[in-house]
Amino acid sequence: DAKTTQPTSMDCAEGRAANLPCNHSTISGNEYVYWYRQIHSQGPQYIIHGLKNNETNEMASLIITEDRKSSTLILPHATLRDTAVYYCIVREGKLIFGQGTELSVKP
Amino acid sequence: DTGVSQNPRHKITKRGQNVTFRCDPISEHNRLYWYRQTLGQGPEFLTYFQNEAQLEKSRLLSDRFSAERPKGSFSTLEIQRTEQGDSAMYLCASSPTAQDLYHYGYTFGSGTRLTVV
Repeated sequence: DAKTTQPTSMDCAEGRAANLPCNHSTISGNEYVYWYRQIHSQGPQYIIHGLKNNETNEMASLIITEDRKSSTLILPHATLRDTAVYYCIVREGKLIFGQGTELSVKP
Repeated sequence: DTGVSQNPRHKITKRGQNVTFRCDPISEHNRLYWYRQTLGQGPEFLTYFQNEAQLEKSRLLSDRFSAERPKGSFSTLEIQRTEQGDSAMYLCASSPTAQDLYHYGYTFGSGTRLTVV
């Protein structure tokens, strides 16, 4: 079973920041937090991952709380092409996907 | 290398027939994974290989399912005596060695959509 809890769906206005929360209260010390997204009819795409520190790459930023029990994925300027299902995964060997958050970016 | 390639993209088959899917991973990746995804659900893990060795199989992988990776390169997933419940998207992913995995994650293919009628 997935070890994360995410909202089922979220909306975001185009051009605004999208902040996607994830709870992972049972995370252990050596487990990473990974984010993937899946655009309709495509395979999941890796976005970002982190252990303790906040991370940023060309796609997104990942903010992990100090106690590591939750994290937030930030898409700084959402576009219509960011509409997808976003999965937060606590890695325990293989990737185990939950239901994810369906993000709809609206004009 | 253009990423993980899966063939065919779509397959429609009659109940009771056998089907086989192929996955070509990124060439330097030695780990290969199969997942199944039904409508509205996240991908479910089926099995994975390290080189040619099948190291783990999910209990979802019934006796009708078999996966191979004979030379540690491409992999096939065969479903025998298909049932309507097998209708799903079958996804393949590859990754580098375990120590690199933490830095690079998985690369997924676009999947094979199976419809059993």
